[in-house]
Amino acid sequence: GAVVSQHPSRVICKSGTSVKIECRSLDFQATTMFWYRQFPKQSLMLMATSNEGSKATYEQGVEKDKFLINHASLTLSTLTVTSAHPEDSSFYICSAARVPYEQYFGPGTRLTVT
Amino acid sequence: TQLLEQSPQFLSIQEGENLTVYCNSSSVFSSLQWYRQEPGEGPVLLVTVVTGGEVKKLKRLTFQFGDARKDSSLHITAAQPGDTGLYLCAGVRDDKIIFGKGTRLHILP
Repeated sequence: GAVVSQHPSRVICKSGTSVKIECRSLDFQATTMFWYRQFPKQSLMLMATSNEGSKATYEQGVEKDKFLINHASLTLSTLTVTSAHPEDSSFYICSAARVPYEQYFGPGTRLTVT
Repeated sequence: TQLLEQSPQFLSIQEGENLTVYCNSSSVFSSLQWYRQEPGEGPVLLVTVVTGGEVKKLKRLTFQFGDARKDSSLHITAAQPGDTGLYLCAGVRDDKIIFGKGTRLHILP
């Protein structure tokens, strides 16, 4: 149990376009979902926390207008990177929690902006 | 300032050897978690420790939470090539989860 999927696993987009990444909890309902960013050989940096039906809480330094998060249901959250630029290229990982701090991570999405 | 310091950052040892990696902080955490991450994948939770002084074992892995709940260690006995990966500790404090930078472990066959 506690499987989290992400789609797509890899995406390449042109600078200036927007990209949507989906995060789904497949076999449980997640009260909270988290979005992280990970640079090569570095740790995870929390971008935002989202609860179903309410606005996401963004970490300091993360632009909410650039990284749009929608948590439409207890099993689905989406991250949209708007007007992507090469510096947005990174590994984006979501996690879902059914009880506080018991996070299950998705496999990640590798975004490359050309 | 990094709230959680992991050491060593990199470790390469021979199969069969024992090793310990550390996760240290000056802050108290309500709980601490250890994850293992393989390249191109998301982290997988190994264990959560909650009580100061708590010790948990997962086959050849032994996790300990410091008495003051500020630090933790992961000891691997008779390391195997399958143990290779990035080991991340994460502390829970003030409703936030904070990740360390990780220890990259490579077990040589």
